[in-house]
Amino acid sequence: NAGVTQTPKFQVLKTGQSMTLQCAQDMNHNSMYWYRQDPGMGLRLIYYSASEGTTDKGEVPNGYNVSRLNKREFSLRLESAAPSQTSVYFCASRDRSYEQYFGPGTRLTVT
Amino acid sequence: AQSVTQPDIHITVSEGASLELRCNYSYGATPYLFWYVQSPGQGLQLLLKYFSGDTLVQGIKGFEAEFKRSQSSFNLRKPSVHWSDAAEYFCAVGIATGNQFYFGTGTSLTVIP
Repeated sequence: NAGVTQTPKFQVLKTGQSMTLQCAQDMNHNSMYWYRQDPGMGLRLIYYSASEGTTDKGEVPNGYNVSRLNKREFSLRLESAAPSQTSVYFCASRDRSYEQYFGPGTRLTVT
Repeated sequence: AQSVTQPDIHITVSEGASLELRCNYSYGATPYLFWYVQSPGQGLQLLLKYFSGDTLVQGIKGFEAEFKRSQSSFNLRKPSVHWSDAAEYFCAVGIATGNQFYFGTGTSLTVIP
């Protein structure tokens, strides 16, 4: 039982490059989330998916797209990376008691 | 709009001393309330949560929190801090109807021997 896994752990991009952050959970949860964490700003919700086949914007969706590939996987895509997207990205899934389970994070640097 | 305020950016306590971390929220109804802990380089782990009922909730690692509706607060407490409690602590609000969560900016805890 791995919980929530994220790949990659670290990534460096140049401005304008694209990449996809992968997230998978093995707890059979319906809801999944993508957050970004920046110093002094806590976690901010980028997108979430309440169930397979649905996605919704959170607080800071600009510059990102998501795909809920199936119940297990929820990916985050940066089409044209910008330095402002340098951050630590966390994926989470939620159980029926509203507890969120977080992955280990992806540290992304955009130069 | 919903908001979560953690007024203390950084707190330093001596090992064995008591601890209280403050959290205030802004929301029209009683939200779901959470405290998470994050160790350096790690993801977040749930300490405790409040949905309804008894306003004093117990969590893991000896932590507790008290919901005060009149003050829109959900402060985290621990009677005796251990060096291993040094971490970042986040208060969060869950909005059930919108399936969204809002986090405070965090309080960094340092424990000195």
